Amino acid sequence: SAVISQKPSRDICQRGTSLTIQCQVDSQVTMMFWYRQQPGQSLTLIATANQGSEATYESGFVIDKFPISRPNLTFSTLTVSNMSPEDSSIYLCSVGASGAYEQYFGPGTRLTVT
Amino acid sequence: AQSVTQLGSHVSVSEGALVLLRCNYSSSVPPYLFWYVQYPNQGLQLLLKYTSAATLVKGINGFEAEFKKSETSFHLTKPSAHMSDAAEYFCAVSENQGGKLIFGQGTELSVKP
Repeated sequence: SAVISQKPSRDICQRGTSLTIQCQVDSQVTMMFWYRQQPGQSLTLIATANQGSEATYESGFVIDKFPISRPNLTFSTLTVSNMSPEDSSIYLCSVGASGAYEQYFGPGTRLTVT
Repeated sequence: AQSVTQLGSHVSVSEGALVLLRCNYSSSVPPYLFWYVQYPNQGLQLLLKYTSAATLVKGINGFEAEFKKSETSFHLTKPSAHMSDAAEYFCAVSENQGGKLIFGQGTELSVKP
């Protein structure tokens, strides 16, 4: 398994501002993913963070709103831009280790937009 | 397209009773299937996975699940519920090894003393 940390663990932000969430893994991994969990809802994949190239976004998510960086095999960031109250969610990063079928999840970042 | 349906957004059982959480999937290819558990204010923890080997899969904390292709189901069971099992449970499907996960809506399990 992999040990994943996220920063910040939670934040309260004003609408119109941006927040960058960091995801750090304790080993090199091929696949990194970003999910959103809206209040009382399930997880929805935002994008796959690709090392050395642009992220691959799912339908309904765009790069201008959720820019992602993946500078190396252990780190990624997700920015939530021009936030509105509808962006209040838990944002989780996950990783797929080489040869593994499953993903391992970070503890999540709880974002509240006022 | 893949999809996952979890029947029952909330299940309540008594301590010591059987736990049964239902999951049905849709996939155009042989799927990989997972159950994750989420405790309050925590991330997701893998309970067990099906990867086309044995159809009866045993996981952590006494949970197990059986893959039934004919029923497109992957129900999660535990013979005897414990208070510490109270949490949110998510079933997920993937069409690729290590690929993106599609999650069900989740089932909140409550355990009564």
